[in-house]
Amino acid sequence: DSGVTQTPKHLITATGQRVTLRCSPRSGDLSVYWYQQSLDQGLQFLIQYYNGEERAKGNILERFSAQQFPDLHSELNLSSLELGDSALYFCASSVVGQGTTEAFFGQGTRLTVV
Amino acid sequence: GESVGLHLPTLSVQEGDNSIINCAYSNSASDYFIWYKQESGKGPQFIIDIRSNMDKRQGQRVTVLLNKTVKHLSLQIAATQPGDSAVYFCAENTGGFKTIFGAGTRLFVKA
Repeated sequence: DSGVTQTPKHLITATGQRVTLRCSPRSGDLSVYWYQQSLDQGLQFLIQYYNGEERAKGNILERFSAQQFPDLHSELNLSSLELGDSALYFCASSVVGQGTTEAFFGQGTRLTVV
Repeated sequence: GESVGLHLPTLSVQEGDNSIINCAYSNSASDYFIWYKQESGKGPQFIIDIRSNMDKRQGQRVTVLLNKTVKHLSLQIAATQPGDSAVYFCAENTGGFKTIFGAGTRLFVKA
């Protein structure tokens, strides 16, 4: 158990809908990272927050947004969903803001858009 | 653009043999590298890391080698076991807040 909790584990929704994925980082970790992993693909970095502030952005679509709350949990919002958004979405957390220490990953949320 | 790639998408080894997984990175400014292991249905798990001021780092049954001249990273697993079967990702970081992952190599261990 990495200590990072993601909910829900599975999500099935229709095209055009909006969903929210939730992540609780490890206790004491200030940084939260979101990644997308399509079937048999690598991990695509989406966005990173550090202590409530956005710190880095990857190839995140405009339809996607995220935030980190004062209690450090984070939510990833995906809207106007398309079939191609079906993927595993991982959250990771680490102690420091810069990616120079290991990140701990959650078990992921499997999103299926039908 | 930024990219971290792998030479071999799949690797099949006999149980007990050593495994070598390779990775090429493109950003010469990258100064921190990590190897992650992802088992089926699970999130990636940290294996070992290395900073750019080192050429080699050893862990338990694993060794990471860094060749900055050719921007190459490798993960060596000694006495590979069935439990080592997974997808292995290398990742790089330039000291900023974004870590770039490679495409991954799937390791199959034959009993």
